[in-house]
This record gives sequence, structure tokens and C-alpha cells, in this order.
Amino acid sequence: GENVEQHPSTLSVQEGDSAVIKCTYSDSASNYFPWYKQELGKRPQLIIDIRSNVGEKKDQRIAVTLNKTAKHFSLHITETQPEDSAVYFCAASIKEAAGNKLTFGGGTRVLVKP
Amino acid sequence: EAQVTQNPRYLITVTGKKLTVTCSQNMNHEYMSWYRQDPGLGLRQIYYSMNVEVTDKGDVPEGYKVSRKEKRNFPLILESPSPNQTSLYFCASSLRAMTGGMRGGGYEQYFGPGTRLTVT
Repeated sequence: GENVEQHPSTLSVQEGDSAVIKCTYSDSASNYFPWYKQELGKRPQLIIDIRSNVGEKKDQRIAVTLNKTAKHFSLHITETQPEDSAVYFCAASIKEAAGNKLTFGGGTRVLVKP
Repeated sequence: EAQVTQNPRYLITVTGKKLTVTCSQNMNHEYMSWYRQDPGLGLRQIYYSMNVEVTDKGDVPEGYKVSRKEKRNFPLILESPSPNQTSLYFCASSLRAMTGGMRGGGYEQYFGPGTRLTVT
């Protein structure tokens, strides 16, 4: 089955700096890669996603890049702010016989220091 | 208000006592899924459903059952709970099921508020 690895597990940055989180996946058939943000005590929420036919996608201060050949994708947050502090999860979707499974990485705890 | 609801939010039970965690969405979503979240392990998919009467195993289905008799409901059943099923459980739904073509949008998963289950 699909395996998604996420690094680093924790990331501390100064406010205003950039943060980068990297994920690798094992199955080349994966075709959809969402990123979720989970604040303390809350439910995960989608922040950005990318499909396998796209190499890069941006939404204001966040961007995701996908390298299908190397089977890795990354989340970039620029001009970090204290409200960016949260746990971020990457995921990869693969089509199985009966539908699509979604496999998540282990998460990255991001702390933005003011 | 469009939402995913779960009940109960908190549950403490004993080994072997059957329980059901309900999940309901009011957005007419096709795809529904159950996840468990454990420290250091992230979110792991238990079961998912592409539509009514269509369900399949995720990565950690052992010890769980699901059913999808109506589009809006996707209950998670633990026939004989064990302590290793102590976890935070999330239900999620998306408008469309992720398919090979991936045309258009609607794949964002909306998560419920979570159910914290403790099995002693």
C-alpha cells in the first residue's frame, strides 16, 4: 500500500521567515496530494491541494510543489505569522479497486516565534 | 449550516462493550471516511465510502465495522472494543469521491469535531 513520510516532525521559525515541509510517497499511481492544518484541539482543515498533472500551486502565502519523478511534494509558507503555528499534515490519494484511499504523513508541528 | 457532526464527542467504555460512533453530514457529500489520530502516527484511515452501499477498508480496518445505508450517515461500529482502540476519531466527508480523472473540484474533506474514545 501507499506510504507517506513527512519531515521534519517539528519546525521552529521566526516570524516573517519561511517554513518548508517535505513529504515523500511510495506509490507512483497516487494522483492527489492535499495538505491539512490542525490547530490545537481542533479538527484538520484543508489549506491547499495539488493534483498529479500540476507541478506547482500557490494561494497567497502558501504554495505546494510536486515532483512526480522523485515522488515528493512540499509545502512552502512564506512570511510566517504566529497564527501559522499548528500541526500540518500532507496526504496522498491512490485509487484502489473500490475507491480512493487517503494516506497521511505523520505530521509536522510548526511553531512560529514572534 | 453545512457541517459534519459526530456523536458522542467523548466516551469512556470498557473492553468488549459494543459501541457505535455516529457521523452525519448535511452537504449531500458522496465520499465519507473515518480516521483515527494517535500521537506520532498522524491520521490513519479506517474505512471509507464512495457512496451509498459502497465501502472499503482503509489502512487500519481491524476491529471496526461501518455501514452506509443512507448518503448522510456513516456510523463507525466497534463490536468488541479493546484498549488499543483508545484514540481520537474523526469522520470526514467530501462532495465528490476522488476518482482517476480528477476533473473539477469538490475533493476537500470536511472533518467532524472528533470523538475522544477511551477503552479501559
